[in-house]
Amino acid sequence: QKEVEQDPGPLSVPEGAIVSLNCTYSNSAFQYFMWYRQYSRKGPELLMYTYSSGNKEDGRFTAQVDKSSKYISLFIRDSQPSDSATYLCAMSRNQGGKLIFGQGTELSVKP
Amino acid sequence: EADIYQTPRYLVIGTGKKITLECSQTMGHDKMYWYQQDPGMELHLIHYSYGVNSTEKGDLSSESTVSRIRTEHFPLTLESARPSHTSQYLCASSETRGNRQNIQYFGAGTRLSVL
Repeated sequence: QKEVEQDPGPLSVPEGAIVSLNCTYSNSAFQYFMWYRQYSRKGPELLMYTYSSGNKEDGRFTAQVDKSSKYISLFIRDSQPSDSATYLCAMSRNQGGKLIFGQGTELSVKP
Repeated sequence: EADIYQTPRYLVIGTGKKITLECSQTMGHDKMYWYQQDPGMELHLIHYSYGVNSTEKGDLSSESTVSRIRTEHFPLTLESARPSHTSQYLCASSETRGNRQNIQYFGAGTRLSVL
């Protein structure tokens, strides 16, 4: 069983929709949670970084962590065609520890 | 934008060739990593380094080797490429101190095809 599970999609939504991307994990020791965005033929770039449970908002993006359910989410409000990319969740047990990545969810936002 | 560079971006070679994938960063990061990424699959760590003259194998077994002679440079070498090595290779780096140690900065990747 993989430590981190992420639905690979693809997910297609119309412009302006609210998008919900999710990951589940099995190791309760994970404390640091990240979302990376990867455009086609590019490397991943950090989008959101959170520690422990709770919500973090940055513009149209909200990251949510529920450690009791071992579930993290990324919400994108008012989605734009420029949000079309693959979104990877990643997590770590401690500062400087190894990152465990999900498979990535491919998102397409149609104009 | 992260200051980490990978060359070449694309490489098509024949079986049995020796190749070196280059990775350089200008952020002064001590930690550097190599990942392998296949379509629809998670990133797999194949090598990492915590500083000059330090290299370790990652979780995914790989026939490649790495070296770390300078802080900014972390090349990956395949002595004899095979079609099974066809993949995207991503290089990353991260800080060693502070509260952002988990954040890895990635290069654009090298897409390797071995015929």
